[in-house]
Amino acid sequence: QVQLQESGPGLVKPSETLSLTCNVSGGSVSPDYWTWIRQPPGQGLEWIGYVHASGSTNYNPSLKSRVTISVDTSKKQISLKLSSVTAADTALYYCARIPNIDSWPFDYWGQGTLVTVSS
Amino acid sequence: DIQMTQSPSSLSASVGDRVTITCRASQSIPNYLNWYQQKPGKAPKLLIYAASSLQSGVPSRFSGSGSGTDFTLTISSLQPEDFATYYCQQSYSFPYTFGQGTKLDIK
Repeated sequence: QVQLQESGPGLVKPSETLSLTCNVSGGSVSPDYWTWIRQPPGQGLEWIGYVHASGSTNYNPSLKSRVTISVDTSKKQISLKLSSVTAADTALYYCARIPNIDSWPFDYWGQGTLVTVSS
Repeated sequence: DIQMTQSPSSLSASVGDRVTITCRASQSIPNYLNWYQQKPGKAPKLLIYAASSLQSGVPSRFSGSGSGTDFTLTISSLQPEDFATYYCQQSYSFPYTFGQGTKLDIK
């Protein structure tokens, strides 16, 4: 069974870069897609972007200028970097797997990591 | 972006009730529609993918239907563990988008 575990600083200062890592266990990173989703406290879900095991990416245009998602297949890690953060980036950040099946669902999720943007 | 609109936004029901949640897309998304359940403090859990396919391990009281722009999630007989928030999500075009959620609580 695939398990995902997000990690990273829980507090980031405004204008700095948020950096998170998602560790994959119980399976291989290839040949799937891996995605990041965020959820501001008490609000709904926002898709951030994904990376394929090959390294190809696709980002939400609302964040595209600030976001980088990458994969290290040898370490079985997916990384998220979000630059120039503001308070609006405060959220619970989840990583998830997208298997190559009909409708590209997010079938395995990490437990999420809360990132607060504050000075 | 494709807008996903769920109705109702909240719903009160009793154990044993049959419940239906609706999700409407702002344009056709064939069957690229997924449903998730989220309990407080937990990550979302995939229930239904491709509009009507039951994810492995999900009880058969959950079912999905629809295609094009209109979709439904039905819980045939509510159990105590089903009280949660439910989200639909489209993966037909980028950016992937979610509905605003439907909070299902106990009447």
